[in-house]
Amino acid sequence: SQQGEEDPQALSIQEGENATMNCSYKTSINNLQWYRQNSGRGLVHLILIRSNEREKHSGRLRVTLDTSKKSSSLLITASRAADTASYFCATGATSGAGSYQLTFGKGTKLSVIP
Amino acid sequence: ETGVTQSPTHLIKTRGQQVTLRCSSQSGHNTVSWYQQALGQGPQFIFQYYREEENGRGNFPPRFSGLQFPNYSSELNVNALELDDSALYLCASSSPLEYEQFFGPGTRLTVL
Repeated sequence: SQQGEEDPQALSIQEGENATMNCSYKTSINNLQWYRQNSGRGLVHLILIRSNEREKHSGRLRVTLDTSKKSSSLLITASRAADTASYFCATGATSGAGSYQLTFGKGTKLSVIP
Repeated sequence: ETGVTQSPTHLIKTRGQQVTLRCSSQSGHNTVSWYQQALGQGPQFIFQYYREEENGRGNFPPRFSGLQFPNYSSELNVNALELDDSALYLCASSSPLEYEQFFGPGTRLTVL
């Protein structure tokens, strides 16, 4: 089952604008990660934020985490057409068996119009 | 450094058949996880292998099984295929020291 939900499900913006995607989750986590997927291909890791961090930056990406609200946001600044993709948040937790598992949301489909 | 590879790229099977998907992990990674991604959905965790043993499983029936080999490559086997098994199957490798998972390009399975 899905851990949480991304919001919005789809987002269309003009090149140069900022894109903000939100993610909510349900259970305790070790960390939260954001991944990107182009056209049904493999996922590419973008950024990881640990449960004791509130904000993290990587290039044009900014991620926030609010564990009290069980939510995270991904901001892509100065978007480019090449940013067009689906973006997924994934919460990480260690199971009783010792495996580290990722639980993904349904994703936000971002379209950046040139 | 070689990335995660998966084979085949696409596969078409009929209901009731069996299928084997393969994954080669990234150099230095001894943990492999398998995910199923239905159209329009996020990936769902099937199971994880570490040092040739299954050490975690998602909500999938026993007809989904796997193997990991001494070189850390892995196989996903699905028996008695059902129409709902049609999906993109993703393999991801990782190091026990890191939380980031590195995904392969996936195998698109279609069950008719």
